[in-house]
Amino acid sequence: QVQLQESGPGLVKPSETLSLTCAVSGYSISSGYYWGWIRQPPGKGLEWIGSLYHTGGTYYNASLRSRVTISLDTSKNQFSLNLTYVTAADTAVYYCARRHYSSGFHDFWGQGILVTVSS
Amino acid sequence: SYELTQPPSVSVSPRQTASITCSGDKLGDKFASWYQQKPGQSPVLVIYQDNKRPSGIPERFSGSNSGNTATLTLSGTQAVDEADYYCQAWDSNTADVVFGGGTKLTVL
Repeated sequence: QVQLQESGPGLVKPSETLSLTCAVSGYSISSGYYWGWIRQPPGKGLEWIGSLYHTGGTYYNASLRSRVTISLDTSKNQFSLNLTYVTAADTAVYYCARRHYSSGFHDFWGQGILVTVSS
Repeated sequence: SYELTQPPSVSVSPRQTASITCSGDKLGDKFASWYQQKPGQSPVLVIYQDNKRPSGIPERFSGSNSGNTATLTLSGTQAVDEADYYCQAWDSNTADVVFGGGTKLTVL
């Protein structure tokens, strides 16, 4: 069974960089699929942040593209999210998930991590 | 940018059929998927590739996608189905992923 687990700081100061890691077990991320991030502000809906193909191709939400980087670390079987210049609007639960390569659906999700942007 | 529209809420009586719609321009030309999210939990995939059910998802969940509308149908709705439901589309040309705003299903 594929399992994903997010980790990182729960509090980030405004204008700083949000950095999260997703550890994957039960599947080698270098074997295939897209690996990505989705967020959900408190009480609101889901927002796709971006996806990274196992060979390195990246796709980002146009509204976040200038601030987002997603990268793979195949040696540790994990992938990461960096979001720069955060504001209070970036406060959300951040989920990592595996995305099917040809149909776009997300079949396995992490439990989510709440990140609050506040001074 | 591409947008998906869902009704904010849908109510249904136990054992009745609930339908949740998701509208977007030429959505039928894209793959639609649906997720169930209960309070404090991660989303769970309930329908993928328009009408396929992952293993472990009850048969009462079904989906369709044609024209500008995808529909999630719950037949014989149970109290345990009360949750938020999100549709998602994937554009194979741009590789962008879009979520609908979500629908709160209430089982009265």
